[in-house]
Amino acid sequence: DADVTQTPRNRITKTGKRIMLECSQTKGHDRMYWYRQDPGLGLRLIYYSFDVKDINKGEISDGYSVSRQAQAKFSLSLESAIPNQTALYFCATSGQQGPGETQYFGPGTRLLVL
Amino acid sequence: GESVGLHLPTLSVQEGDNSIINCAYSNSASDYFIWYKQESGKGPQFIIDIRSNMDKRQGQRVTVLLNKTVKHLSLQIAATQPGDSAVYFCAENGNRDDKIIFGKGTRLHILP
Repeated sequence: DADVTQTPRNRITKTGKRIMLECSQTKGHDRMYWYRQDPGLGLRLIYYSFDVKDINKGEISDGYSVSRQAQAKFSLSLESAIPNQTALYFCATSGQQGPGETQYFGPGTRLLVL
Repeated sequence: GESVGLHLPTLSVQEGDNSIINCAYSNSASDYFIWYKQESGKGPQFIIDIRSNMDKRQGQRVTVLLNKTVKHLSLQIAATQPGDSAVYFCAENGNRDDKIIFGKGTRLHILP
């Protein structure tokens, strides 16, 4: 079984709809991240959480919110989806503090906002 | 500002040849660098990393070189195989807030 799983893997929604992307991990890591990937722009950090009670904004948090329900679960919500949020979304985890932080990525969720 | 970028968006290499993927970074405070491989339809996968107190590190068929003087990072893949086809990202950890900054990626295309 995969260590980092994401659901759904693909989603089509309409402008204005609220959607939630979920991430679960079995690695026992404290740190979890949500990234967005667009063609030609690489990975950009949306939100990150260093433990269950810690939530931090990343580079592009506007229009998104997150919830860390448990050490193993970190969900990303789009309160009112808009077309420019069409992208590939990745969840990642890491278990090491400070430099030397290798991140482990999920398979991604492809989101299309019409 | 901080930036991590790659010189070439696409690199085509003959199967069996060595591949060299380059990366420039601008944050002189970064002390940890990582290369990730992303195959089509999958998430990025860790390949190799290097700390700033080193200038070279070798793995299986891969070598990472770090030149702190010119803020340059490279990934060398020996005897490139069809399975090496992917997008390769360099990333840095600036050591200020424990976040990783990713470059835009280079697509490696293997010619038969």
